[in-house]
Amino acid sequence: ELKVEQNPLFLSMQEGKNYTIYCNYSTTSDRLYWYRQDPGKSLESLFVLLSNGAVKQEGRLMASLDTKARLSTLHITAAVHDLSATYFCAVLLQGNTPLVFGKGTRLSVIA
Amino acid sequence: DTAVSQTPKYLVTQMGNDKSIKCEQNLGHDTMYWYKQDSKKFLKIMFSYNNKELIINETVPNRFSPKSPDKAHLNLHINSLELGDSAVYFCASSRNRVGPQETQYFGPGTRLLVL
Repeated sequence: ELKVEQNPLFLSMQEGKNYTIYCNYSTTSDRLYWYRQDPGKSLESLFVLLSNGAVKQEGRLMASLDTKARLSTLHITAAVHDLSATYFCAVLLQGNTPLVFGKGTRLSVIA
Repeated sequence: DTAVSQTPKYLVTQMGNDKSIKCEQNLGHDTMYWYKQDSKKFLKIMFSYNNKELIINETVPNRFSPKSPDKAHLNLHINSLELGDSAVYFCASSRNRVGPQETQYFGPGTRLLVL
């Protein structure tokens, strides 16, 4: 059974600081997704990572995938308040298996 | 136009009632999903349909029955509602289930509260 673990689950960081959220998964896969959810809102797709070594960047967020280590990271550079949200990673195996989500990292950026 | 829409947005009902949630996507996608997000924000897949055919049916009580009248719609009917059914239910869709870009697009969610 595929397990997806994120850490930390809660993160409070100051504006301007850098930090990394980690996503580990238990079964080989080369398809990993990052989503953002604002309080009371839906999920917004941030990144799709489809191969070992994939790196994608959008603004202050950068995601990477190491399929050998079964690890993805979401790096936040010079955090701003607007980045406050819950970030989910999700992993897809081949075939008719469902997307399995991590428990989410609730990020709060404070002044 | 909203890509994935759900109705209703909020649903408050009594235990034992039967209710339905509707989902429509205008993205031309082949695959649709229902997820449940509990009070701890944990997201879990419930069902998935591809071109009106059920392809994923996780361990969900059979009080929950999805119906897909066409590939743009996936409705969720819940019989005999229980307190534990209170959650946010998200519908999602993706272009297909086996292609390289299966990004799933989520609807706004339906907040169900069972009293």
